Amino acid sequence: GAVVSQHPSWVICKSGTSVKIECRSLDFQATTMFWYRQFPKQSLMLMATSNEGSKATYEQGVEKDKFLINHASLTLSTLTVTSAHPEDSSFYICSAFGGSPYNEQFFGPGTRLTVL
Amino acid sequence: GDSVTQMEGPVTLSEEAFLTINCTYTATGYPSLFWYVQYPGEGLQLLLKATKADDKGSNKGFEATYRKETTSFHLEKGSVQVSDSAVYFCALSFRLRKNTPLVFGKGTRLSVIA
Repeated sequence: GAVVSQHPSWVICKSGTSVKIECRSLDFQATTMFWYRQFPKQSLMLMATSNEGSKATYEQGVEKDKFLINHASLTLSTLTVTSAHPEDSSFYICSAFGGSPYNEQFFGPGTRLTVL
Repeated sequence: GDSVTQMEGPVTLSEEAFLTINCTYTATGYPSLFWYVQYPGEGLQLLLKATKADDKGSNKGFEATYRKETTSFHLEKGSVQVSDSAVYFCALSFRLRKNTPLVFGKGTRLSVIA
């Protein structure tokens, strides 16, 4: 199947700094990507839908000014956690929908963010 | 809202044992149902899916049947291997279209020992 990569795989930062996470579809184009957040022993929670060339659609309760999403090309979406705080520490996973012939979502390996 | 409930883990089995991971859902309407698997250090991979009632999804020896009457999609495998050790997620979606996200269960960690 198709491959989605994320970078970095893990990051540790100080409180108040910003962190950018990249999500790339390596061998297919994705007009839509999704960003999920996973807390320990909990479900993946959808944060936002990233649409190429337009603004992201955020789920209720997700602060769009804190979690900035940019989908500048058909193979790249970025999530920037601005002014990170310890409560933002989590596992962030992106997915991208691969159209024909795949017609399914492909997931990145995730990024572990730890804010000190 | 729509939700997925799956059995709590971890589940530890001996090689060649029978596996069942229960999954039930709550949804308005008739969603498509999925099982994803996440091996250590890797992303989620689609294991199998079913798009309508009574459909059976199968892959790599795993099976799950879409039961509308019990709103369930239990995952089964007759004889597990050590290589099946992973976290399994049950999920639903209302359309197999590009802009539809998935609703996930909490995941069940499976450990198979030799």
